This record gives sequence, structure tokens and C-alpha cells, in this order.
Amino acid sequence: GAVVSQHPSRVICKSGTSVKIECRSLDFQATTMFWYRQFPKQSLMLMATSNEGSKATYEQGVEKDKFLINHASLTLSTLTVTSAHPEDSSFYICSASWQGTDTQYFGPGTRLTVL
Amino acid sequence: QQQVKQSPQSLIVQKGGISIINCAYENTAFDYFPWYQQFPGKGPALLIAIRPDVSEKKEGRFTISFNKSAKQFSLHIMDSQPGDSATYFCAAADGSSNTGKLIFGQGTTLQVKP
Repeated sequence: GAVVSQHPSRVICKSGTSVKIECRSLDFQATTMFWYRQFPKQSLMLMATSNEGSKATYEQGVEKDKFLINHASLTLSTLTVTSAHPEDSSFYICSASWQGTDTQYFGPGTRLTVL
Repeated sequence: QQQVKQSPQSLIVQKGGISIINCAYENTAFDYFPWYQQFPGKGPALLIAIRPDVSEKKEGRFTISFNKSAKQFSLHIMDSQPGDSATYFCAAADGSSNTGKLIFGQGTTLQVKP
């Protein structure tokens, strides 16, 4: 149980375009979803926390107008990287948890390459 | 105070040996300590987790040892196998904050040699 999926697994786009990444909890209702960014050989960096039906809470230094997060249902959250640039190339990972638990279950990640 | 310090950065162990990874924290409000395993190009997978009310938790070949007074916890992998070669992250959370946020350590890359 506690499976989280992400789509797409890999995306290549041109500089200036926008990219949407989906995160789904497949077998549970995720009251909270988290979005992370991970650079090669580094730890996970939390970008934002989203609770279903509420605006996302962004970590310091993360541009909320650039990384748009929507958590419209208990099973789906989306991250849209707007006007992507090569420096946005990274591994983006979501995680999900349900109310009353500390445990986060992670998706398989999305490799974004901006040319 | 929100940091979790993890060591070593990398570790090489022979097959059948014991792998030990250590983490230290400062925030005494942390009350949940999970370990995650991550293979290249994949998302982290929850391995095992512990709360401060116990000093040790074992699941198969994986054991967490927890020292509340020293504010340290460690992961022991017994009978290490080449398939255990991965990056391991410790983490900590403060349940009373109601944010659900995990604070991650820097990661340890484990290589188990056949």
C-alpha cells in the first residue's frame, strides 16, 4: 500500500516553456503533499507543502510564481514550472501523507531537462 | 537547530559486513526519525522509522538505534548485500509543528562490494 506515482518520469523542454508534473496517491487519500527538488549527489530540498483545498506553503527562497502548485483533490497535486530555464533542470520528487501521520511516501521522481 | 547531520558521506563495505550510518540532531522537539533508501534515478523509499519512546527497532536486516540523551540515531544494515548499494537518508520531524515537514540529512552513499 501507500503508492505514489508521478507523471511524466522524464521531460525535456525548451527554455521559456512551462512544464506540468503530476503527483498522484494511488491507494490513499493524501491530505498533504510535498514537493522536493534534488540536485545530483545532494539531499532533498523541500520546495513547498500543499494541503488539499488550500494554497501551498513555499519554503524560503522558492519563487511561488515560478513553481505553481495545485492540490485540488485528495489524490492529485500538480507542480507547474513556468517559463523554465536551464537552471531549473533537476530531479523533482513529490511525497504524500495522510492526516495524523508523520510518514511521507515518495513518488518515483521526474527528471526535468530544460534546453 | 533544524539541521540533521549525517555521516559518513560515503561508505564501502564488503558483502556480509555491517554498514553503519549515523545521524545527529539538535531540536529536542523532533519525535519521528525515518530512514529512506534511494536508488539512482528513483524516489526515496521508506526503510524503517523510530520514535523516541524506544531505543532500538529492528526490521529484518535493518536496525535503528536511538540515543535520546545524545540526540543521535543510527542505521545498522546487517549482512550487507550488493543490492543494498544505494544512498541512505536519515530524517527527523517535529510532530507538534503540524507541518508534517521532514528535515533530511545530507545522505550517505553505500557501496557493498561482492
